[in-house]
Order: sequence, then C-alpha cells, then structure tokens
Amino acid sequence: QITLKESGPTLVKPTQTLTLTCTFSGFSLSTSGVGVGWIRQPPGKALEWLALIYWDDDKRYRPSLKSRLTITKDTSKNQVVLTMTNMDPVDTATYYCAHSYDTRDDFDHWGQGTLVTVSS
Amino acid sequence: QSALTQPASVSGSPGQSITISCTGTSSDVGSYNLVSWYQQHPGKAPKLMIYEGSKRPSGISNRFSGSKSGNTASLTISGLQAEDEADYYCCSYADSSTLNWVFGGGTKLTVL
Repeated sequence: QITLKESGPTLVKPTQTLTLTCTFSGFSLSTSGVGVGWIRQPPGKALEWLALIYWDDDKRYRPSLKSRLTITKDTSKNQVVLTMTNMDPVDTATYYCAHSYDTRDDFDHWGQGTLVTVSS
Repeated sequence: QSALTQPASVSGSPGQSITISCTGTSSDVGSYNLVSWYQQHPGKAPKLMIYEGSKRPSGISNRFSGSKSGNTASLTISGLQAEDEADYYCCSYADSSTLNWVFGGGTKLTVL
C-alpha cells in the first residue's frame, strides 16, 4: 500500500525559504521508473505542477519557477524534499506530493496535502 | 505554457451521463496519449480516475471513461451518482523542453 505525507511549516514570511518534506511508504525511489512529484493548489484555484524527481535523480522543474525550486531525494529515509526560495503571498497554497511512473506520467497516489500560508 | 482548457462547470441529474472536455495543443494533449483525470472532493486530495487517456486504475468504476480526439481529451461519467459531485481536473504530459506536466483549470460537476 502506497502512502505519502507532506510536512513542513504552515506559515512562512515573505522572502523566506520554504522547505517541505514528503515521507512515503509502500515503494522505493531506487526502483526503476519511479518518481515523486510536487503539485500545489492555491485556495479555490486549480492544480499546478511544480517539480518531479525520478529514481535515477533526473529532476524536472516548472520553467517559470525553476530558479526558485530545488528537489532532492533521500532514498534511505524514503523522503523527497522540495525547497522554494523567496516566498511571496501568491505562493500561499496547499502543497501535495504524489507518486508517479516514468512510463505513465500520471500521479496515481497523493499525499493529504499541507497548507502553506505566506504572510508577514 | 498555458493551462489546459476545461469548462468551469457542468451538471446533470442522477442516472444521466455527462462529458467534460479538456482542450490543449499539439505540444501536450495532441502529441501524447498521456492524459490523466483527477477527481477532487472539497478539502480532499485529488484521486486518479483515468490514466493514459482511457485506462482506469484498479477500483475505479467503469462508469468513468476517457477518450481523445486531436488536441481535446474528454472524460465521460455515465449513470451519474450523488457522490460524483466534485471538481475534476485533466492533466497532460507536455513537451519536456517547455513544461513537463500541465493541468486544466478544473470543472465543477454538480449532480442536480
């Protein structure tokens, strides 16, 4: 059974760096083809893909946010970490991590999400 | 890269069928058979309903079906039930040189 759970601060100040951790079970990020992605959803708005890391450390980023995002994995801890620099109130959103396969390119299992508010 | 275009809302009565469209471009929907659809109830995480355009994950009712024609993908829900009322999002893999995954703006399904 695949499960994922996001953790991190619920409130960050403008210009600060956000660090979110996705802790998962039921799969390994050392298995060929496996990936973990981050998707966010501002309140009342649509889903927006942010970044994804594959088992082989291939990393993909949303072009408009690439300069602010870093995604890393710790296979031994079953964790994926997303950092986003220079946070702004428009970055207020629920942040989700999700499991993916490189042959299907969908997100078949999702975490519960964590709401991050950017405010001074 | 713009979001995929979905109708803001659709509605139907119990037992009826509805279709939600998802229009992209030749760089995403039109080029790849990698459209997925997600159901999201209020306050909940999205749930995968359709992948690779028309395939259903294990446990998803066969009332949900997907298709594609050109740059437009569609999700059809037959035999509408009250629990189908939710937001639905399409997503497509896109040209990796621009944006790898692009979501639609979402469609609110109301079961009358």
